[in-house]
Amino acid sequence: AQTVTQSQPEMSVQEAETVTLSCTYDTSESDYYLFWYKQPPSRQMILVIRQEAYKQQNATENRFSVNFQKAAKSFSLKISDSQLGDAAMYFCAYRGRGSQGNLIFGKGTKLSVKP
Amino acid sequence: DGGITQSPKYLFRKEGQNVTLSCEQNLNHDAMYWYRQDPGQGLRLIYYSQIVNDFQKGDIAEGYSVSREKKESFPLTVTSAQKNPTAFYLCASSPDRGRGYTFGSGTRLTVV
Repeated sequence: AQTVTQSQPEMSVQEAETVTLSCTYDTSESDYYLFWYKQPPSRQMILVIRQEAYKQQNATENRFSVNFQKAAKSFSLKISDSQLGDAAMYFCAYRGRGSQGNLIFGKGTKLSVKP
Repeated sequence: DGGITQSPKYLFRKEGQNVTLSCEQNLNHDAMYWYRQDPGQGLRLIYYSQIVNDFQKGDIAEGYSVSREKKESFPLTVTSAQKNPTAFYLCASSPDRGRGYTFGSGTRLTVV
């Protein structure tokens, strides 16, 4: 079975600085999707960024980018120019192309942003 | 605007009672999901449905039941058999496997 591991329960960053959140996953599939979700204090889950495993180019969305290392099964999220509104729980998620293809989530990383 | 509506936002249940959480979507998505969120546990899958009139158990289905009579609706019943129901419940939907989920705003269930 696939698993997703986020090894940093909590992280902290200074406003305007850059922070990287780690995520590793375990799978025997070769084709899949990876996601980062943000959950602010409102608890609404917001899709931050998406990566297709067969694409070598790392996905980027404004200040958010990923470092996708397929062989290492690593999918880290980099947040540049951190803002106070970036403070939230961040969840890494895996979705295979198999018959079920449900999202499998890591346990999350709580990011604090210091002014 | 299309989206997912969960109701109620807060729900209180007495011991031994069944309660039903509502989830409605107008996104025309085929697949719908229920997750439970506990502190430090991430999101755990309760039930999912990929098509009307069909649903499958997730990782923690014991003590829960669902129905999928309409494409738009996927209600979750928390039964008295669920030993520890206090949690935050999230409903989601998805058009296909290539995309992520769209989530509702959640229901906080507390047993009193």
